[in-house]
Amino acid sequence: DGGITQSPKYLFRKEGQNVTLSCEQNLNHDAMYWYRQDPGQGLRLIYYSQIVNDFQKGDIAEGYSVSREKKESFPLTVTSAQKNPTAFYLCASSIGDGRDTGELFFGEGSRLTVL
Amino acid sequence: GNSVTQMEGPVTLSEEAFLTINCTYTATGYPSLFWYVQYPGEGLQLLLKATKADDKGSNKGFEATYRKETTSFHLEKGSVQVSDSAVYFCALSDWGAQKLVFGQGTRLTINP
Repeated sequence: DGGITQSPKYLFRKEGQNVTLSCEQNLNHDAMYWYRQDPGQGLRLIYYSQIVNDFQKGDIAEGYSVSREKKESFPLTVTSAQKNPTAFYLCASSIGDGRDTGELFFGEGSRLTVL
Repeated sequence: GNSVTQMEGPVTLSEEAFLTINCTYTATGYPSLFWYVQYPGEGLQLLLKATKADDKGSNKGFEATYRKETTSFHLEKGSVQVSDSAVYFCALSDWGAQKLVFGQGTRLTINP
């Protein structure tokens, strides 16, 4: 089955620690995205990547970093500089390559809690 | 910039009731419009979409019409079921910036 796999599903972190969330897709999509979901605020874009070895900041990139070394993988690191990291993180992909129709395919999310 | 505003939730209805979730947008140009649904504990999935004015998107008994004159894309269903309980997100494509812009989401609960 094709899809997006996020791991871990639940993660606890102490203040001051960096943590990396994994996102892998086998849909052969060019574009990948990271969103943050907070109650009552919808989804806010953190970073996105249209092609391997390239990515752009979204609306709330401060305190986060990403890499796109492989087409299938787009890991997100939540650094200690992120002031309020407790949230639900969603990874998504789309066809990209100028053929997008607006449909994003989402993983099941990773819930990060800072203790 | 582009933005999407949804009616505030939560919305609670009885089974077989009529559903409307309001969505209005602000955008330059001619965006495509979407409704995504998030079932408990899951990621989002596309419910329906419309790519130009007066288009009607439909899926699983849900419908929404792209109204350019009122900048709206309200979601409707004639008879809801308990299984429709979820969070619903309205979104528009901002492909100038190569991303979707989401509303804040509306939590829907259907009671038997």
